[in-house]
Formats: sequence, C-alpha cells, structure tokens
Amino acid sequence: DAKTTQPPSMDCAEGRAANLPCNHSTISGNEYVYWYRQIHSQGPQYIIHGLKNNETNEMASLIITEDRKSSTLILPHATLRDTAVYYCIVRVVGTNAGKSTFGDGTTLTVKP
Amino acid sequence: GAVVSQHPSWVICKSGTSVKIECRSLDFQATTMFWYRQFPKQSLMLMATSNEGSKATYEQGVEKDKFLINHASLTLSTLTVTSAHPEDSSFYICSAGGYEQYFGPGTRLTVT
Repeated sequence: DAKTTQPPSMDCAEGRAANLPCNHSTISGNEYVYWYRQIHSQGPQYIIHGLKNNETNEMASLIITEDRKSSTLILPHATLRDTAVYYCIVRVVGTNAGKSTFGDGTTLTVKP
Repeated sequence: GAVVSQHPSWVICKSGTSVKIECRSLDFQATTMFWYRQFPKQSLMLMATSNEGSKATYEQGVEKDKFLINHASLTLSTLTVTSAHPEDSSFYICSAGGYEQYFGPGTRLTVT
C-alpha cells in the first residue's frame, strides 16, 4: 500500500472548520483514500473514503485533488469531541481488502 | 455502521501465561479479519490477516508461533498470545468489513 504523509499536529478553534491535509503521491489507480480517527484508548473510527470524486457524509467532507496525489479532510464545525488522532490511509479494494498501513497521523486539538 | 466487538477490553496476566483475545463481527460476516498492535504514543501496526477456514498470514517480524490466530467462523477470530512477556504489553485491535473497515474497541494487555 502507498505511504501517506500528514502533519503531526494541528489546532482548531471550536466551531470553526478543521482542514486536515494528507499527501499520497504514490497512490495507485486502484487505491482508495480512507480517513479514520482514534480517540485515546479506543479503536479507530471510520470517517469517510473516496476514490477520485469529492465525498461528503454526516461527519465530514473529503476533497481529493484531480491528480489524486493529495486530499483534505474537512470537519465543518469542529467540536471539542473531535479532538483525536486522524489517520489518512490509502488502500487497495479487492483481494485482501481491508489491510491497512497506518502512518503517524495528525493529532487534532480543538480548543474552546 | 457495522459493529466489531472485542473481548476482553482489558486483561492483566503473568509472564509466561497465555491469553486469548476475541474479535467478533456483530452484524455481518467476515471471511477476513485483521489484527493490529499499538504501543503507547505509536501508530497501529498490522500483525496478521485472519482468514476464515485457513491459516493466518503474518506480517514480517511477527512470530506466528507466539501469536496464534484462529478464524473458526465467519463472525469470530481469536488471537492467543502464548508465553506472554512484559514486552507483549500493548493495545491489540482487530478490524473487519469490506470497503469500510470497522475496528474493534481494542484490548489492553498488560503482562506483569
């Protein structure tokens, strides 16, 4: 699976949008971009995934660049409960689907 | 979303003993499950792929005789840490699902 790079930490004011970037310059055509978050001492929580189109769900929006080499996760109105480590992963869909290589992630701190 | 459970949520065992961790998919069937290990302040590291009805596939550097995996049904995979040592103390997490991998809540193992 392709390697991803993320900034180690970010701060965001409560109520503002949090924009978390991810670089995946070696992504292959059959790899999706996934985002998870992990709150301390819990298992990762699925947020969103996409292939090449922008995606939105009740939790977040995912913006993928046209060349697919980077993406941005957007939490539109961050709350204190969004403080967590956010992981960007690229993963092949198909045989052995689900095998994930985690990078170091971004620690997002939402401040009052 | 789909639910993956783990049992126990935490366990303390003495050095030299074995401990079994269960991973269950509660509302879907999973022919493949994945086991991860996470040390404090580190990211998740994939240990092995659990395959229903066949042998598990271990990542490089993971001792298959120490970390026994059994995937006897489509909803249950077990990880047994044999002859546990203090350095095996970690947070063990499983995942299952298709496009959207769902992670269990994790099991905190402490070996004394």
